[in-house]
Amino acid sequence: RKEVEQDPGPFNVPEGATVAFNCTYSNSASQSFFWYRQDCRKEPKLLMSVYSSGNEDGRFTAQLNRASQYISLLIRDSKLSDSATYLCVVNYLSMEYGNKLVFGAGTILRVKS
Amino acid sequence: DGGITQSPKYLFRKEGQNVTLSCEQNLNHDAMYWYRQDPGQGLRLIYYSQIVNDFQKGDIAEGYSVSREKKESFPLTVTSAQKNPTAFYLCASSITPPGYTEAFFGQGTRLTVV
Repeated sequence: RKEVEQDPGPFNVPEGATVAFNCTYSNSASQSFFWYRQDCRKEPKLLMSVYSSGNEDGRFTAQLNRASQYISLLIRDSKLSDSATYLCVVNYLSMEYGNKLVFGAGTILRVKS
Repeated sequence: DGGITQSPKYLFRKEGQNVTLSCEQNLNHDAMYWYRQDPGQGLRLIYYSQIVNDFQKGDIAEGYSVSREKKESFPLTVTSAQKNPTAFYLCASSITPPGYTEAFFGQGTRLTVV
């Protein structure tokens, strides 16, 4: 089983739609969780961190469910500029592997006019 | 400005040659990482380091080597043993827990074997 799994998509949605991505992680020692955005042929950039209580930043809402070991990202009122790959990132600290940042394979979002 | 710098941006290698990709950061981060990305794929961890003179293999370390002699620098060598090295290579750094562990990325190096 992969350490971090995401639905690769692509998700093709019209402008203004609401879209949700999920990500599951296998290691219960995971400590920090993030969503990154990656545009074509560019480096990933932090979109938002994910906190246990859930957090919102404008049109974006992130949730963490530790019991079920998944995180989610909700995008409301999709814009054309939201088209990108969204990467789920998990950081965990273990005696065996130390501090490790693991990326999911990414979910492709295409917003169409 | 603080940041993480990778060089070169584009690199061409002949088969059978070793090449070294540079990664330097001035963010005072202890942890540094190397990832490989193939077209349409996610990031796969090659090596990571949490402290000077220490590093661990990631999921796809075969054919690669690293060193961490200085906190600021984490060069990656792609050896001739790496059978399919053409890819986009990304270096990242972060603080180590406890604390906020957001990873900052360099702009990447595109390696092509010719």
